[in-house]
Amino acid sequence: ELKVEQNPLFLSMQEGKNYTIYCNYSTTSDRLYWYRQDPGKSLESLFVLLSNGAVKQEGRLMASLDTKARLSTLHITAAVHDLSATYFCAVDVNQAGTALIFGKGTTLSVSS
Amino acid sequence: DAGVIQSPRHEVTEMGQEVTLRCKPISGHNSLFWYRQTMMRGLELLIYFNNNVPIDDSGMPEDRFSAKMPNASFSTLKIQPSEPRDSAVYFCASSLLGYSNQPQHFGDGTRLSIL
Repeated sequence: ELKVEQNPLFLSMQEGKNYTIYCNYSTTSDRLYWYRQDPGKSLESLFVLLSNGAVKQEGRLMASLDTKARLSTLHITAAVHDLSATYFCAVDVNQAGTALIFGKGTTLSVSS
Repeated sequence: DAGVIQSPRHEVTEMGQEVTLRCKPISGHNSLFWYRQTMMRGLELLIYFNNNVPIDDSGMPEDRFSAKMPNASFSTLKIQPSEPRDSAVYFCASSLLGYSNQPQHFGDGTRLSIL
């Protein structure tokens, strides 16, 4: 059975600190997506990672993909309150952008 | 540009009633996805369509669930009869398949409560 495991599931951070969210998956895939969800809201696409070694950055967030290790990371630099949300990784199991398997999500809370 | 539009945003109904959820994908997108989100099971793909044709419905929980896409701009997810365990947030998403750097774009969801 395919598994997509995120850790931690809950993360409480202080503003200004750095931290990394991990996404491990159990099948071969070169495609992985990161989404953000605010409480009661939709999912917003953050990053699309399409190959081994892919790295994408947007503001204080940076995502990377290691397909050999079946691992993606989402690194948060100098956290601010506005980053408080739930972050999901999703693995594309058929490499076609259709069959996405989502992790359970990491709920991030940033406080001053 | 308008995003994925879902209706209703909230639905509360009694067990046994028929429920119909609606979705309008982003214009020009050729694929549409229905997901269900619960605390216990997370986000699960129910069914997806490509060019209005259902491609994979293996995630549909049982025969009480059905989905249609009569044209490129409209899809429905129907539950008949509904049960309390169907309570969840149902998301519709669309994308343009064939362009590898395109993510799925999600609607705001329908929060369904079955009493």
